[in-house]
Amino acid sequence: QKEVEQNSGPLSVPEGAIASLNCTYSDRGSQSFFWYRQYSGKSPELIMFIYSNGDKEDGRFTAQLNKASQYVSLLIRDSQPSDSATYLCAVNRRNYQLIWGAGTKLIIKP
Amino acid sequence: DAGITQSPRHKVTETGTPVTLRCHQTENHRYMYWYRQDPGHGLRLIHYSYGVKDTDKGEVSDGYSVSRSKTEDFLLTLESATSSQTSVYFCASQRGLEKYEQFFGPGTRLTVL
Repeated sequence: QKEVEQNSGPLSVPEGAIASLNCTYSDRGSQSFFWYRQYSGKSPELIMFIYSNGDKEDGRFTAQLNKASQYVSLLIRDSQPSDSATYLCAVNRRNYQLIWGAGTKLIIKP
Repeated sequence: DAGITQSPRHKVTETGTPVTLRCHQTENHRYMYWYRQDPGHGLRLIHYSYGVKDTDKGEVSDGYSVSRSKTEDFLLTLESATSSQTSVYFCASQRGLEKYEQFFGPGTRLTVL
């Protein structure tokens, strides 16, 4: 079992709909959770982070954390073609490290 | 965003040659990281640094070494490049342990022939 797992996709979503991306993790001691967006040929860009159970909203993005079930999700409302990218989930590990999922490719269809 | 630059941005080299990639940050971040990214594997940690002259291995450190003589610079050296080291290399930095947010440089595309 990988420490951080994501569905590789691609996930295809119509423009204007809600895109839902999921990530599960194995280390119950993890306390910090991150979503990065990566456009093709570019570097990862931090878009959301969450440290406590529940929801965190920032504009069209909502991060949801459920520590009991060990998953974190990212919702993108009113999806736009510019949201088409690969979304990486990262979870903190001891010793200053983040553990990364392989990413989910999201395609927003106009 | 953290000011992080990487050089070179692209490099083609031959098997057996040494290669050094440079990462420079202007944010005075304490922690710095080198990752490689390959299709299907996501980001894999090569080495990281938790202070000047303080470094440690990541999950894929074989064939790589690092040095950090100043807070702002973190060098990655491929001692004798192999074709399996063809990849995109990203440097990242992190302010401290109070938060784990990492910020990335633009990446270096390395091709080993």
